[in-house]
Amino acid sequence: GPKVLQIPSHQIIDMGQMVTLNCDPVSNHLYFYWYKQILGQQMEFLVNFYNGKVMEKSKLFKDQFSVERPDGSYFTLKIQPTALEDSAVYFCASSSDRVASDYTFGSGTRLLVI
Amino acid sequence: GDQVEQSPSALSLHEGTGSALRCNFTTTMRAVQWFRKNSRGSLINLFYLASGTKENGRLKSAFDSKERYSTLHIRDAQLEDSGTYFCAAETLGYKLTFGTGTSLLVDP
Repeated sequence: GPKVLQIPSHQIIDMGQMVTLNCDPVSNHLYFYWYKQILGQQMEFLVNFYNGKVMEKSKLFKDQFSVERPDGSYFTLKIQPTALEDSAVYFCASSSDRVASDYTFGSGTRLLVI
Repeated sequence: GDQVEQSPSALSLHEGTGSALRCNFTTTMRAVQWFRKNSRGSLINLFYLASGTKENGRLKSAFDSKERYSTLHIRDAQLEDSGTYFCAAETLGYKLTFGTGTSLLVDP
């Protein structure tokens, strides 16, 4: 079936540096999401994005986080600067509408901040 | 905040038997989705329910928004059903709130 691809699958970065996580959503999907899962904890909502704008974000979506999808290319999550507590698996998802019946998740990017 | 309580956290079944997973919600949810994590770590959609029940093969799910729970029943479990199952509730704000997962092991 349709897939969400996440690049890279793993990333190790020095604290304070910038990192960009890339997501290639399902081609006809219009709604995009990022979720964060710290080791041993539940997956938690970060942000959703539609029509070039953030619709909703959680308390986890710090000021250092930003999202964009320039010109229909990758949907990206940028963290600048990174902190140790940003180490987690970040999952991208997309859906065709706000009712998430066809929610499709990627395999995640494992980010380690050292 | 919104919470999803998933149980059991781990489940062991003999091949051919069945059981149920359950998620309780602390607030009214718009819908529920059940996922299974595959070997690559991707979440595979099993069911999406805004109400009632749905069945697919040996899996059946139910959602009662008023009573704030959802269940996933597995019957005639097979070895390949082993894995981690998650429920995720769709809040009125259209985000998913995940349960903690159920690790299912099916043995011969």
